[in-house]
Amino acid sequence: AQSVAQPEDQVNVAEGNPLTVKCTYSVSGNPYLFWYVQYPNRGLQFLLKYITGDNLVKGSYGFEAEFNKSQTSFHLKKPSALVSDSALYFCAVFYGGSQGNLIFGKGTKLSVKP
Amino acid sequence: DAMVIQNPRYQVTQFGKPVTLSCSQTLNHNVMYWYQQKSSQAPKLLFHYYDKDFNNEADTPDNFQSRRPNTSFCFLDIRSPGLGDAAMYLCATSRDPSVSYNEQFFGPGTRLTVL
Repeated sequence: AQSVAQPEDQVNVAEGNPLTVKCTYSVSGNPYLFWYVQYPNRGLQFLLKYITGDNLVKGSYGFEAEFNKSQTSFHLKKPSALVSDSALYFCAVFYGGSQGNLIFGKGTKLSVKP
Repeated sequence: DAMVIQNPRYQVTQFGKPVTLSCSQTLNHNVMYWYQQKSSQAPKLLFHYYDKDFNNEADTPDNFQSRRPNTSFCFLDIRSPGLGDAAMYLCATSRDPSVSYNEQFFGPGTRLTVL
């Protein structure tokens, strides 16, 4: 069965420091992986996705993610965190072919302090 | 701008009183989804429409129904809301998943309170 795991409920980072939000996946076949961000009382916003190609994927707001097939990971990274990056981050995997859907991880709350 | 719109943003209803949440899209996407999200949890897929084809998740309660009268609109009906149905309800759209690998575009959500 397809699944994603976000092992950290919360990540705390000082503004200006690099941040990493972890995600590991379990899929049969090729993995199609996504990161979404959710600000309080808002819907989810797409950040980036990995379908194929370069293992380092660049996305919105300066975020990037590294696909590592051997470690079955897709960690979200940013070189320098901003207070405004504080939000809930969801990793997701696509499954199911032409009628497919997303499976979301449980989410990681990122808190960036000044 | 092309977008996904949900109305209302906040809905208060009484225990057992039917309620309808609305979603519209200007993206002309084939697929529309309804998710339930409880506090700081992952969104839980309730059902989705692929064009006019309705797909219900196995564990979605019968209390939840949906209608999609045309490409642009989709409604979530909760026939007899219970206290446990209080949540954020998210609508999302995507192009044909076999092409887009299911990059979904979300509306801002409707927060439902049940008194």
